Amino acid sequence: EAQVTQNPRYLITVTGKKLTVTCSQNMNHEYMSWYRQDPGLGLRQIYYSMNVEVTDKGDVPEGYKVSRKEKRNFPLILESPSPNQTSLYFCASQLAGYNEQFFGPGTRLTVL
Amino acid sequence: QKEVEQNSGPLSVPEGAIASLNCTYSDRGSQSFFWYRQYSGKSPELIMSIYSNGDKEDGRFTAQLNKASQYVSLLIRDSQPSDSATYLCAASDSGYSTLTFGKGTMLLVSP
Repeated sequence: EAQVTQNPRYLITVTGKKLTVTCSQNMNHEYMSWYRQDPGLGLRQIYYSMNVEVTDKGDVPEGYKVSRKEKRNFPLILESPSPNQTSLYFCASQLAGYNEQFFGPGTRLTVL
Repeated sequence: QKEVEQNSGPLSVPEGAIASLNCTYSDRGSQSFFWYRQYSGKSPELIMSIYSNGDKEDGRFTAQLNKASQYVSLLIRDSQPSDSATYLCAASDSGYSTLTFGKGTMLLVSP
């Protein structure tokens, strides 16, 4: 089944404790992206990647890191999480030249 | 700053009625436009895309684009309670570009 997977789906952590949210897709898509979604603010792009080793900042990159060492994986790293990073996070992937983005199921992160 | 604006709603319509959702965008370079449906707590799902001026129909859904007015709309005919969700409008200026999302309009269809 073609899909985008994210892990974990739910995470509660404390301020300053490094964490990684994984994202993987099995559709051989070149383009991958991370969004956060907050009430009243909608979906905002954090980082995106057009292919392996090619990443760029989105609208709200502060406090986040990403890497793209393999085509299928695009982990989101929070080196020192803070409470304002409490949010619902979505990973998405897209085939080059096509406009449909496929979203993962989401990761609900709470930083205490 | 590219912006996509939507009325947050909720838009309430009775079952069987036509629901009309609207969206405006700020970047005149935008070429591609999308409507995503998002149920509460779930991920967005693409339901319509439109690239040229005019109407595009797919089943009960019709997307309309007017680039001169920088306006995109989504009509849902014969609305069903299962259509109750938040509808996100998004714009992109190329096939490889990032998507800019609106904040979404909540649609409530009452039986």
